[in-house]
Amino acid sequence: AQKITQTQPGMFVQEKEAVTLDCTYDTSDQSYGLFWYKQPSSGEMIFLIYQGSYDEQNATEGRYSLNFQKARKSANLVISASQLGDSAMYFCAFSRGRRALTFGSGTRLQVQP
Amino acid sequence: DVKVTQSSRYLVKRTGEKVFLECVQDMDHENMFWYRQDPGLGLRLIYFSYDVKMKEKGDIPEGYSVSREKKERFSLILESASTNQTSMYLCASSPTSGGEAETQYFGPGTRLLVL
Repeated sequence: AQKITQTQPGMFVQEKEAVTLDCTYDTSDQSYGLFWYKQPSSGEMIFLIYQGSYDEQNATEGRYSLNFQKARKSANLVISASQLGDSAMYFCAFSRGRRALTFGSGTRLQVQP
Repeated sequence: DVKVTQSSRYLVKRTGEKVFLECVQDMDHENMFWYRQDPGLGLRLIYFSYDVKMKEKGDIPEGYSVSREKKERFSLILESASTNQTSMYLCASSPTSGGEAETQYFGPGTRLLVL
């Protein structure tokens, strides 16, 4: 069974600095997808970024980028120029067969002014 | 924009009650999902459906059932609510197109308290 690990329960970052949120996964599949979601205090899960296992380039979406290291089975999220509104829970997720997602336990990011 | 709505943001029920959580999506997505979220455990899949009247068990289906009579609506049913079902319940939907196009879009969640 696939497993997603987020080892940082909480992170602090100063406003305008970059921060990296770690995510590792364990799978024997060759074809898979990795997602990052943001969950603000309101509770809604917001899709941020996607990386396919066959994508050669790291995914980027605005201030978000995904540092994908396939051999190490890691898919870290990098947020550049942190903003106060980035304070939230962040979840890494793995897409498996039948189109369901397996989620990590999340990292709570707090951006300090 | 994809919109996924859930019938209640907050719900308080008594032990033993039958509880219905409703989810509706407006983007004609084939796939719909129910997750529960508990602190430190992330999101865990309860049930999912990839077509009308089709359903598959997720990782924690015990104590739950689902119904999908129409493509846009996916209901989660707690047959006899128990205190250990107090949780945040999140519904999601996705198309069946492969890769990034299968991104799941979530509703606002229902915080259920069972007394």
